[in-house]
Amino acid sequence: DAKTTQPTSMDCAEGRAANLPCNHSTISGNEYVYWYRQIHSQGPQYIIHGLKNNETNEMASLIITEDRKSSTLILPHATLRDTAVYYCIVKGNTPLVFGKGTRLSVIA
Amino acid sequence: GAVVSQHPSRVICKSGTSVKIECRSLDFQATTMFWYRQFPKQSLMLMATSNEGSKATYEQGVEKDKFLINHASLTLSTLTVTSAHPEDSSFYICSASGRTDPTDTQYFGPGTRLTVL
Repeated sequence: DAKTTQPTSMDCAEGRAANLPCNHSTISGNEYVYWYRQIHSQGPQYIIHGLKNNETNEMASLIITEDRKSSTLILPHATLRDTAVYYCIVKGNTPLVFGKGTRLSVIA
Repeated sequence: GAVVSQHPSRVICKSGTSVKIECRSLDFQATTMFWYRQFPKQSLMLMATSNEGSKATYEQGVEKDKFLINHASLTLSTLTVTSAHPEDSSFYICSASGRTDPTDTQYFGPGTRLTVL
């Protein structure tokens, strides 16, 4: 699977949009971009995934660049409960492999 | 939908004993289940992958005789840590995927914290 690069940490003010970037320049054509988050001492929570089109669900939006080499996860109105480690993972027909992710801190 | 449960959520045992952790997919049939472990301040590490009715495939460095995995049905997988030692203390997390969508998205359980004294 292609590797991803994410910033180690980010801060976001409560109520503002949180934009989490991810680089995956070696992604293959059949690999999806997945986002999960892990709140302290819990199992990872699925957020969203996409192939090449932008995706939106009740939790977040996923914006994938046209060349698919990077993507951005957008939490439109961050709350304190969104404080977590966010993982961007490129996945083909193999299990998820977790990197270090981005630690997002939402500040009141 | 796509709920995965684990039991127990927390277990403390003595060195040398065996511990069994259950993972269940509650509202979908899990054709594939995965076991991860996570040490403090580290990311999740894949231990093994199992398909229903087949032997598990273990990642390099994971002892198959120590971490016994059984995936006997489409909704249940178990991980048994045999002859546990303090270095096995960790956060064990299962994951399941099924035919909920063509990409076989993995859904995770809440995790089991194992402490070996």
